[in-house]
Amino acid sequence: QQQVKQSPQSLIVQKGGISIINCAYENTAFDYFPWYQQFPGKGPALLIAIRPDVSEKKEGRFTISFNKSAKQFSLHIMDSQPGDSATYFCAASNTNAGKSTFGDGTTLTVKP
Amino acid sequence: DTGVSQNPRHKITKRGQNVTFRCDPISEHNRLYWYRQTLGQGPEFLTYFQNEAQLEKSRLLSDRFSAERPKGSFSTLEIQRTEQGDSAMYLCASSFSDTRETQYFGPGTRLLVL
Repeated sequence: QQQVKQSPQSLIVQKGGISIINCAYENTAFDYFPWYQQFPGKGPALLIAIRPDVSEKKEGRFTISFNKSAKQFSLHIMDSQPGDSATYFCAASNTNAGKSTFGDGTTLTVKP
Repeated sequence: DTGVSQNPRHKITKRGQNVTFRCDPISEHNRLYWYRQTLGQGPEFLTYFQNEAQLEKSRLLSDRFSAERPKGSFSTLEIQRTEQGDSAMYLCASSFSDTRETQYFGPGTRLLVL
């Protein structure tokens, strides 16, 4: 049973465009939703995270939109740049439980 | 560099051999996690420690896997009698057990079992 479903699997965007990656979760006990960026050969690095008490969080070009009733959240990358080309993972966790459950990742390619 | 470090970065071993990986977390972090990541997949939770106590183990963690964090600082993950299916990236992460729950990942150890 996959508790966090991520789409699309891959995404190609032109430089300056908006990249949108979606995730859906099942476990209503999740209370922390981070997004990670991973480059080849490196560990995941935290980009931005949100808790379910807010519907949107913005940090620079990165925005998380959160829909608690639909159990969905998404990452928007504005003004996408070639340097943003990486694999992005959504995750969900319960603060008391500790562990994170990850989506399968989205490979983003930003074309110059 | 005060991030999470992992050693070795790469390990090639023959099937049936034992391997041990080490993780040094961010110094003030009391939680330490091990994940496994295969190509094209997200990290899968294996186990985690709060200080020296191992609080949860995934059902993915067979009896051949053991993890320790003896003094609540660094941790080791040992795989006994390695199998080809153990080939993966083994990631360590650490966090501070407050409401932020941000996990910081190390660079991983890539294991190849021949």
